[in-house]
Amino acid sequence: AQSVAQPEDQVNVAEGNPLTVKCTYSVSGNPYLFWYVQYPNRGLQFLLKYITGDNLVKGSYGFEAEFNKSQTSFHLKKPSALVSDSALYFCAVRGGDSTLTFGKGTMLLVSP
Amino acid sequence: DAGVTQSPTHLIKTRGQQVTLRCSPKSGHDTVSWYQQALGQGPQFIFQYYEEEERQRGNFPDRFSGHQFPNYSSELNVNALLLGDSALYLCASSLGTSRRHYEQYFGPGTRLTVT
Repeated sequence: AQSVAQPEDQVNVAEGNPLTVKCTYSVSGNPYLFWYVQYPNRGLQFLLKYITGDNLVKGSYGFEAEFNKSQTSFHLKKPSALVSDSALYFCAVRGGDSTLTFGKGTMLLVSP
Repeated sequence: DAGVTQSPTHLIKTRGQQVTLRCSPKSGHDTVSWYQQALGQGPQFIFQYYEEEERQRGNFPDRFSGHQFPNYSSELNVNALLLGDSALYLCASSLGTSRRHYEQYFGPGTRLTVT
């Protein structure tokens, strides 16, 4: 069975500073990895995905993620955080059965 | 281009009742997946429909059932509601079940409260 771990319930960062939201995964075969963001009372919005190729993936709103196969990690990063980035972030993995498995989420709080 | 739409937005039901939630996929998408998101948790996969058939199912009891129509829209039915069924129900659409690298697009969800 596939799984995703997001070890931090909450990440606090000051506006303008770099941010990292951590994610590790477990899956059989080649992983397809995704990051989604959820704003209050809203559905999930797709940010970026890793399929194959370059380990650094660029996505929406200036976010990027680094895939590390040996550490089975897919951390979300942004060079300079904005207050408007404050939201709930979910990492997800899709394995051989094509179902999408999510982590429990990490709340990102960016202070002015 | 309309995204994924869901109805109703909110719903309050009594324990033991039945509920039907509806979803229209993003234009051009033919696959619909349903997720349950309990408070403070990540979405949990319920099932996926493609070509009007249930293709994948998560660890949910038979009280949860679904349907997909020829126009690709879908319904989620939950019978004999329990208090623990209170959650945000998310619908997601995508193109084809075999394209595992395709991202899913989510609707805004239906907030179900069981009292």
